[in-house]
Amino acid sequence: EDQVTQSPEALRLQEGESSSLNCSYTVSGLRGLFWYRQDPGKGPEFLFTLYSAGEEKEKERLKATLTKKESFLHITAPKPEDSATYLCAVQVANAGNNRKLIWGLGTSLGVNP
Amino acid sequence: DAGVTQSPTHLIKTRGQHVTLRCSPISGHKSVSWYQQVLGQGPQFIFQYYEKEERGRGNFPDRFSARQFPNYSSELNVNALLLGDSALYLCASSFGLAGIREQYFGPGTRLTVT
Repeated sequence: EDQVTQSPEALRLQEGESSSLNCSYTVSGLRGLFWYRQDPGKGPEFLFTLYSAGEEKEKERLKATLTKKESFLHITAPKPEDSATYLCAVQVANAGNNRKLIWGLGTSLGVNP
Repeated sequence: DAGVTQSPTHLIKTRGQHVTLRCSPISGHKSVSWYQQVLGQGPQFIFQYYEKEERGRGNFPDRFSARQFPNYSSELNVNALLLGDSALYLCASSFGLAGIREQYFGPGTRLTVT
């Protein structure tokens, strides 16, 4: 069964304390992996798409990497405004070549000033 | 350029009633997907529409239905509301159907069923 697991469930950092969030997946027919940021009561905000193992993408203090089994979202010197839930989703190809997204439960990140 | 818009923002309904939620995709996007998100969970896929046709359906009962209009906007309808239908309903749009397409989400509609 296709599955996406994110860890930790929650993480609290001090401002400037770098860390990484993990997204591990067990799927057949991986087509892409997406990272989103979600603030309370709002829709997810797209961050990155990763297509193949070894790929890396960066945006400000965030860097996403992908291996054959997992993805990491590295947060360098976080600020309080980085506090949010970070969601990982994997796109797989079904029979009939329809795409679907499988979502993790997210990591709730809090950054103390 | 406007992002994905959804209406209404918040909605309170009583058990047994029906509800219609609306979504307008980003200009140029032809695919719209609907998700249900319960607090503390990731989004759960409900439907995907592309060029006015249903292209995917999640594990939701027949009380849930949707459609897409010629201008690519979409409606999600839920009949015979249950308490468990209380959630944030998200609409996401993407350019096409084939290939790897990142989805852009609207702000959501918060539905409360009492």
